Amino acid sequence: EAQVTQNPRYLITVTGKKLTVTCSQNMNHEYMSWYRQDPGLGLRQIYYSMNVEVTDKGDVPEGYKVSRKEKRNFPLILESPSPNQTSLYFCASSLDRYTEAFFGQGTRLTVV
Amino acid sequence: GEDVEQSLFLSVREGDSSVINCTYTDSSSTYLYWYKQEPGAGLQLLTYIFSNMDMKQDQRLTVLLNKKDKHLSLRIADTQTGDSAIYFCAESGGGGSQGNLIFGKGTKLSVKP
Repeated sequence: EAQVTQNPRYLITVTGKKLTVTCSQNMNHEYMSWYRQDPGLGLRQIYYSMNVEVTDKGDVPEGYKVSRKEKRNFPLILESPSPNQTSLYFCASSLDRYTEAFFGQGTRLTVV
Repeated sequence: GEDVEQSLFLSVREGDSSVINCTYTDSSSTYLYWYKQEPGAGLQLLTYIFSNMDMKQDQRLTVLLNKKDKHLSLRIADTQTGDSAIYFCAESGGGGSQGNLIFGKGTKLSVKP
């Protein structure tokens, strides 16, 4: 089954404790991206990747890092999480940047 | 910069038609999309329209595109309670620096029995 898998689905952590949210897709997609969804703000792109070893900043990259060492995986790293990063995070993948994006189920992160 | 605007809420009665509207700014968009997000779930592509089309129909869904006014709409015929969700309009930033999807803030559709 074609899917984008994020883990964990829910995470509560403390300020400053590094964390990684994993994202994996099995569709051989080249384009992957991370979004955060906040009430009243919709979805905002954090980082995107056009292919292996090619990543770039989206609209709200501050406080986040990503890596794309393999085509299927695109982890999101928060080196020192802060409460303003409490949000619902979505990973998405697509064949290229113009075509249909497939979304993961989301990761609800709470930073206390 | 590129922007996508939608109204935040829409309430309809079961069996009525729902029309969700969206305006966008990037005239070079290649595709325009409608995504549906059910509570606690990720976004699911409902339908899309290529920028050189005016209309697309897919069962109960009709998408209308007015490229001159940069206006996109999604009509759901015979709306059911299972259609209650948040609907996001999105454009592929064809001329944008990133080429990523630009989303609206979402329209929460409530369907009353």
